[in-house]
This record gives sequence, structure tokens and C-alpha cells, in this order.
Amino acid sequence: GQNIDQPTEMTATEGAIVQINCTYQTSGFNGLFWYQQHAGEAPTFLSYNVLDGLEEKGRFSSFLSRSKGYSYLLLKELQMKDSASYLCAVMDSNYQLIWGAGTKLIIKP
Amino acid sequence: IAGITQAPTSQILAAGRRMTLRCTQDMRHNAMYWYRQDLGLGLRLIHYSNTAGTTGKGEVPDGYSVSRANTDDFPLTLASAVPSQTSVYFCASSVGSGSYNEQFFGPGTRLTVL
Repeated sequence: GQNIDQPTEMTATEGAIVQINCTYQTSGFNGLFWYQQHAGEAPTFLSYNVLDGLEEKGRFSSFLSRSKGYSYLLLKELQMKDSASYLCAVMDSNYQLIWGAGTKLIIKP
Repeated sequence: IAGITQAPTSQILAAGRRMTLRCTQDMRHNAMYWYRQDLGLGLRLIHYSNTAGTTGKGEVPDGYSVSRANTDDFPLTLASAVPSQTSVYFCASSVGSGSYNEQFFGPGTRLTVL
């Protein structure tokens, strides 16, 4: 079966750095996406990785290792508004997104 | 209309009733999707459409049907609602259905079936 694993919840301090991990087992791989979802709102796109390595976009970076079935989202200089759920999703061989259950990130002052 | 909209925002429905959730996008995107989101589970694909006039089944299609008569609209119908269909439903769209295609999500419909 297909499976995406990520921690259920993480806590971090304002101004700090946090890394959210995602491991996956899917039938085929056509890219990995990270989305942010604030409580009661729709998911919004953060990043896309299809080749191994690090993609940097402002305070957010995403890393992919296809051989290990592993990705992480790195958030720097945490702000209170970063409190949200972070969803990892892999596009499988049918070009359908398989979603993890999300990691709820709690930021403390 | 800007982006992707859904209606209604929320609905309480008696079991056995028929219900259509509406989704409209004005971005001229070819592909559209319906997901459900339940606590503790990832988003699960119900149905999708890669282009107007075509539809396909996702991971959890039973009890749901869709149509795609034109580019903009992608309604989801529950023929006879059951309590297990209580969920938050998100419609999404993307330019195409290939590998790099960011999906844009509507605000969601919170459905409760009693």
C-alpha cells in the first residue's frame, strides 16, 4: 500500500528553527509537495521537490532524498503566524497526490 | 469570482437525503479534484477531472458522483447521504494533471450527516 508518515505534532519557540520530517512509500514518484493549512482554512502550496536536494524559498526550505523516501521542511526564524498544520504529499505513478495526515506545529512565544 | 469557490460553507443533512456540493473556478484550470479531510487522516481523493468532459475515480469514490460539463464547474453529489460522509470537503484545481502542478484549494464545505 501507499503510505506517508509525518509526526502528528511539534512545538517550537518563536525565532527558532524547526524541521518537519516526512517519509513515504508510494507506487511511483512524480514529485513531493508541502502545503500549509491554518486551522479552519484551505491548504496552500509551500514547495515542490522532484530532484534530490534542497529547495530554498525565503524562510522555508524543503529537502528531498528519493533513495531514502524522505523529505523535510525547514522553517527558520519562526513567527507566531507559522502556527499551522504542514501537509506532505507525494504524486504517485498515476499523477494523484497521496497525502500525509499533517504535522500540527505549535509556536510558543 | 476570484480563484476557486465552494458552496455551501457548511450544511447539516439528514441521512438518506441527496446533496450537491458546488465548486467553481475562474482560473481556466484544466484539472479539478474533490477531497475529503477527516481528523487524523490525510486528504483523500474522491473524484477528479483532468479536463472538461472527463472524470475519474479517486481513492474513496463510493457514494459520490461528479460531472464536468464545462471548465469552470465541478459539482460533487451525494446520492443518499450516510453519517460516515460527515467530513470537510475541499475542491481543488490545477493548470494540468502532470507532475508539477500546484493544486489550488477552495475554502471547503463542512458537512454533517445525522
